[in-house]
Amino acid sequence: GAVVSQHPSWVICKSGTSVKIECRSLDFQATTMFWYRQFPKQSLMLMATSNEGSKATYEQGVEKDKFLINHASLTLSTLTVTSAHPEDSSFYICSARGGQANTEAFFGQGTRLTVV
Amino acid sequence: QQQVKQSPQSLIVQKGGISIINCAYENTAFDYFPWYQQFPGKGPALLIAIRPDVSEKKEGRFTISFNKSAKQFSLHIMDSQPGDSATYFCAASYPGYALNFGKGTSLLVTP
Repeated sequence: GAVVSQHPSWVICKSGTSVKIECRSLDFQATTMFWYRQFPKQSLMLMATSNEGSKATYEQGVEKDKFLINHASLTLSTLTVTSAHPEDSSFYICSARGGQANTEAFFGQGTRLTVV
Repeated sequence: QQQVKQSPQSLIVQKGGISIINCAYENTAFDYFPWYQQFPGKGPALLIAIRPDVSEKKEGRFTISFNKSAKQFSLHIMDSQPGDSATYFCAASYPGYALNFGKGTSLLVTP
């Protein structure tokens, strides 16, 4: 399957600082990227959907000013957690899909964020 | 509101046995039904997927059975191995939209 690379795989930051997570599609053009959040032993919760060159669409309850998403190219999307707090600690996962509607969705390795 | 309901929550199977995980959905507009495998600390990996015009799809030891009229689909893992121990998620989506995930099934295959 296609490769989606997410970086970093883990990060520890101090409360009040910002953290940027990168998601790259390595061998295909990702017209749509999705960002998920996953708590321990729970399912993936969709945070936002981003299309290349457009503003992200956020799910209800997700603060767009706190979780900044940029999808500036067909191979790169970034999630910035601004002014992070301990409750933002979680596993963040990106997913990417190619151009055709309903092609397979491939996932990055995930980023474990710990805010201390 | 959970759009895809998955069961069981956990499953223990002996090596060589068949693991069966079931999912049900309500929205008939869904037209893509994948299964993902996730190991601790890793992102989900696509195992196998099916579209509603097919009733069954097999890839290696993994088979999806799809019942459109009942709005149900299931994953069968034949000859289950300890290395299959992981969390499995079913999902469903509208054309071009994000996946709606089930709550996951924790599978343990004992030696």
